[in-house]
Amino acid sequence: DADVTQTPRNRITKTGKRIMLECSQTKGHDRMYWYRQDPGLGLQLIYYSFDVKDINKGEISDGYSVSRQAQAKFSLSLESAIPNQTALYFCATSHSNTGELFFGEGSRLTVL
Amino acid sequence: AQKVTQAQTEISVVEKEDVTLDCVYETRDTTYYLFWYKQPPSGELVFLIRRNSFDEQNEISGRYSWNFQKSTSSFNFTITASQVVDSAVYFCALRRGTSYGKLTFGQGTILTVHP
Repeated sequence: DADVTQTPRNRITKTGKRIMLECSQTKGHDRMYWYRQDPGLGLQLIYYSFDVKDINKGEISDGYSVSRQAQAKFSLSLESAIPNQTALYFCATSHSNTGELFFGEGSRLTVL
Repeated sequence: AQKVTQAQTEISVVEKEDVTLDCVYETRDTTYYLFWYKQPPSGELVFLIRRNSFDEQNEISGRYSWNFQKSTSSFNFTITASQVVDSAVYFCALRRGTSYGKLTFGQGTILTVHP
């Protein structure tokens, strides 16, 4: 089983719908992140959390919200999805000492 | 501001050729870390290497090698004797010394290795 698990792996939805992407990890890391990948743009940071009570905005947080339900769980929500949020979303974790990111397998979201 | 530039959008080579992927970065920090990640067609992101700004020694791991040069702000990645399984998107990334996990990624280079 993967150390960082994302669900769903693929999702097609319509404009205006609320969507939640979930992430869970078994690495025991304290830090978790949500990134978005668009073709030709690399990965951009949406939100990050350094522990359960800590939530921080990244580069492109508008239109998104997150919840850190436990050390091992970090979910990303799109309150009202729009077509330009169609992208590949990655959850990642890191240990506080090394900063090296470990990624989930990605969640492909299509907003029609 | 942090910036990473991978000027090569796509590279195509024939198996067994050597190939170098370029990465140029911008930062005003004296302490920073550089990374390379591989994204194969299956989509996951695989960590390849981390380098800190105080260690300019080149690194070799099997067919992979990395050349870090602070004088030119570059952290290039060379694959020797490429194989079809090396076909992937490769990302270079930078983070500040104090910004654990907050990586700035380059745009990625699509490498295709033909048999």
